[in-house]
Amino acid sequence: QQPVQSPQAVILREGEDAVINCSSSKALYSVHWYRQKHGEAPVFLMILLKGGEQKGHDKISASFNEKKQQSSLYLTASQLSYSGTYFCGTENEAAGNKLTFGGGTRVLVKP
Amino acid sequence: EAQVTQNPRYLITVTGKKLTVTCSQNMNHEYMSWYRQDPGLGLRQIYYSMNVEVTDKGDVPEGYKVSRKEKRNFPLILESPSPNQTSLYFCASSLSGTLQKQYFGPGTRLTVT
Repeated sequence: QQPVQSPQAVILREGEDAVINCSSSKALYSVHWYRQKHGEAPVFLMILLKGGEQKGHDKISASFNEKKQQSSLYLTASQLSYSGTYFCGTENEAAGNKLTFGGGTRVLVKP
Repeated sequence: EAQVTQNPRYLITVTGKKLTVTCSQNMNHEYMSWYRQDPGLGLRQIYYSMNVEVTDKGDVPEGYKVSRKEKRNFPLILESPSPNQTSLYFCASSLSGTLQKQYFGPGTRLTVT
């Protein structure tokens, strides 16, 4: 079953912040985050492993709450280059090596 | 340059005509995977391979076959394509599994009429 991402879309002004959530109905072992620009392939942002860690990539960071079976991606002081569709991918404990992606969150950053 | 290549990039075919989409990586990665992308559904995994001669089903394997005879290649085979397999297909690879970043190929847009 695919993880659920929310919101489905968000429009930001440059410099604003946003949070994208990814929730699963299954116990998770890892969460991946990717960004895809229109007409391009997805590009890796970060992986979070079981253990509740938080990671950062420039001004994009993420957290993983394994008890709640969810992860959040934080876009801080957004830049025009942050526009794109963000996908979370989850690996659950019962089905190792299988990555299941959410439906995506479309982000548009305006000047 | 480290990359994942796919061919063809675009393909229009008819129902029932067997086709193969090739995928190759030059990074000596053990893990390779195929996804299809449809609007609103995100990326859905079709098949993955942990190494040569080791393949396993993803979430949507019906109607697809794969093989992994060499480490660098992971072709996707549609024995009898149907219109519901019209989609954007991505091949991806990573060093040794799902705990490393995946590198995606440029995608293959397939239309089955």
